[in-house]
Amino acid sequence: EAQVTQNPRYLITVTGKKLTVTCSQNMNHEYMSWYRQDPGLGLRQIYYSMNVEVTDKGDVPEGYKVSRKEKRNFPLILESPSPNQTSLYFCASSSAGLNNSPLHFGNGTRLTVT
Amino acid sequence: SQKIEQNSEALNIQEGKTATLTCNYTNYSPAYLQWYRQDPGRGPVFLLLIRENEKEKRKERLKVTFDTTLKQSLFHITASQPADSATYLCALVGAYNNNDMRFGAGTRLTVKP
Repeated sequence: EAQVTQNPRYLITVTGKKLTVTCSQNMNHEYMSWYRQDPGLGLRQIYYSMNVEVTDKGDVPEGYKVSRKEKRNFPLILESPSPNQTSLYFCASSSAGLNNSPLHFGNGTRLTVT
Repeated sequence: SQKIEQNSEALNIQEGKTATLTCNYTNYSPAYLQWYRQDPGRGPVFLLLIRENEKEKRKERLKVTFDTTLKQSLFHITASQPADSATYLCALVGAYNNNDMRFGAGTRLTVKP
């Protein structure tokens, strides 16, 4: 089944403790992206990647890192999480940019930073 | 600054009626507009895509219009059903950067039996 898989689904952590949220897609998509979703603000893009070893900042990249060493994986790294990073995070992929191709989303990771 | 606004946070309608959701944008030149459905606890799911040179797109009970003069898209669900209850998101892809996709905050639709 074609899908985007994020792990974990739920994560509670403390300020400053490094964490990684994994994302994997099995559709051989070039484009991958991370979003955070907050009430009233909609989905905001954190980082995106056009292909292996190619990443770029979205609208809200501060406090986050990503890597794209393999086509299928695009982990999101929070080196020193803070409470304002408490949010619902989504990973998404697309076959080729966004012109004609829809985004396929994972089921989300709900992160709480205390 | 760029803004994407969806008409209301919540919309309640009776089963069988047509639901109409609005997406307005300012300071933006989208080449494409997409609509997604999001159920609680799940990621958004793609529904329809419409290009700037298309006026209307249909898929089963769904219809999308795109008016670049009014800077507005309308999303219609005809013969609505309780199973259509969800949050609907519009998303715009920029004309000058096709990696730039921006989402509205969404409209939560409830269809009552």
